[in-house]
Amino acid sequence: NAGVTQTPKFRVLKTGQSMTLLCAQDMNHEYMYWYRQDPGMGLRLIHYSVGEGTTAKGEVPDGYNVSRLKKQNFLLGLESAAPSQTSVYFCASSRDRGIYGYTFGSGTRLTVV
Amino acid sequence: DAKTTQPTSMDCAEGRAANLPCNHSTISGNEYVYWYRQIHSQGPQYIIHGLKNNETNEMASLIITEDRKSSTLILPHATLRDTAVYYCIVRLQRGMDSSYKLIFGSGTRLLVRP
Repeated sequence: NAGVTQTPKFRVLKTGQSMTLLCAQDMNHEYMYWYRQDPGMGLRLIHYSVGEGTTAKGEVPDGYNVSRLKKQNFLLGLESAAPSQTSVYFCASSRDRGIYGYTFGSGTRLTVV
Repeated sequence: DAKTTQPTSMDCAEGRAANLPCNHSTISGNEYVYWYRQIHSQGPQYIIHGLKNNETNEMASLIITEDRKSSTLILPHATLRDTAVYYCIVRLQRGMDSSYKLIFGSGTRLLVRP
């Protein structure tokens, strides 16, 4: 039972490069979320999706794009990476608006140099 | 969503109960209290949630005051593996689009001592 799987686990980018983080869930959850966590801080919501084909902005969406073409996958894209995007990125999914909790992935540690 | 206030850090002895407080004085009548924890370098883990009644599951107990302005998460017999950052979050269950969001604060860093 995999739950929420994030790939890659680690990545180093140069400023200006692009990349896509992949989140996959096998629980048939409708809702999916991308968070970032900076040292000593709580998680901040970047974007979220309430179903296949939908996306919406969270607290800190600038510099990121997302897509939810398939129900089980939620992609987070960085078109032109900046050092300020150095962070740990967590993906989560939930059933029924998360009433019974969110399931989080193990995170992607991204460094932009 | 209502704002929460938690102590920055706490500690307790292994085998003893850990009582983590949370203030949410501006909570509205239809907002739930959620607790998550984050063990070092891992993704957050859901613990428990409640509206106004006390709740218990296999992980913890949640005590919510009668006026709902504060709550306490209780780990009855803390172990070293319970060392983590604990987040208290209040959120709506229904209604506007924003109810889907789970807004994290800075949490309480709990250290369980051997």
